[in-house]
Amino acid sequence: DAGVIQSPRHEVTEMGQEVTLRCKPISGHNSLFWYRQTMMRGLELLIYFNNNVPIDDSGMPEDRFSAKMPNASFSTLKIQPSEPRDSAVYFCASSLRASGGHNEQFFGPGTRLTVL
Amino acid sequence: GEDVEQSLFLSVREGDSSVINCTYTDSSSTYLYWYKQEPGAGLQLLTYIFSNMDMKQDQRLTVLLNKKDKHLSLRIADTQTGDSAIYFCAGGLTGGGNKLTFGTGTQLKVEL
Repeated sequence: DAGVIQSPRHEVTEMGQEVTLRCKPISGHNSLFWYRQTMMRGLELLIYFNNNVPIDDSGMPEDRFSAKMPNASFSTLKIQPSEPRDSAVYFCASSLRASGGHNEQFFGPGTRLTVL
Repeated sequence: GEDVEQSLFLSVREGDSSVINCTYTDSSSTYLYWYKQEPGAGLQLLTYIFSNMDMKQDQRLTVLLNKKDKHLSLRIADTQTGDSAIYFCAGGLTGGGNKLTFGTGTQLKVEL
């Protein structure tokens, strides 16, 4: 199993540009999470999906952020327009939602975003 | 929502035991987790404990849960330089939602 795949691994862009981060969850998993990690704020949950449906997007910082999950094997996080304060490492994670039992989240390697 | 707090840094000597502490506010979490993040990588699950347990041991790792005080700890015996990482505790409800609430993370530095 390849694990959670994220692309790109590194992204450097200029303020005002659109940024799209991509995630492929582990096959068979039905929950997907987007996190942001910074030194100042630690690890923050931005949004998560169950069965491709957004369940909780209360962590999305502003309207400039949007996330989609068009099918079970792909999700995107878009920032438009990007700002320097969006610089962070963005993680995607997936898990198998099941009744009972614990829910391990499997994390991707992250995308390091730098907005100049 | 739940708050999960951890101390930010811990420094130990190689071979000593490390104890990383975590406090949480929501007692409804049915599972509590410890994740490890190595430099430049995502988080990986280390171990977890069901809320009706007080202790769980897994090789060099011992998890202690004090539900009354809402306190969780991770003890690493015979700490090695490879244990240097950021450790996160997290709480979640069984089944529904799959959402975990992560702590602030503790940076463990192992010195020779």
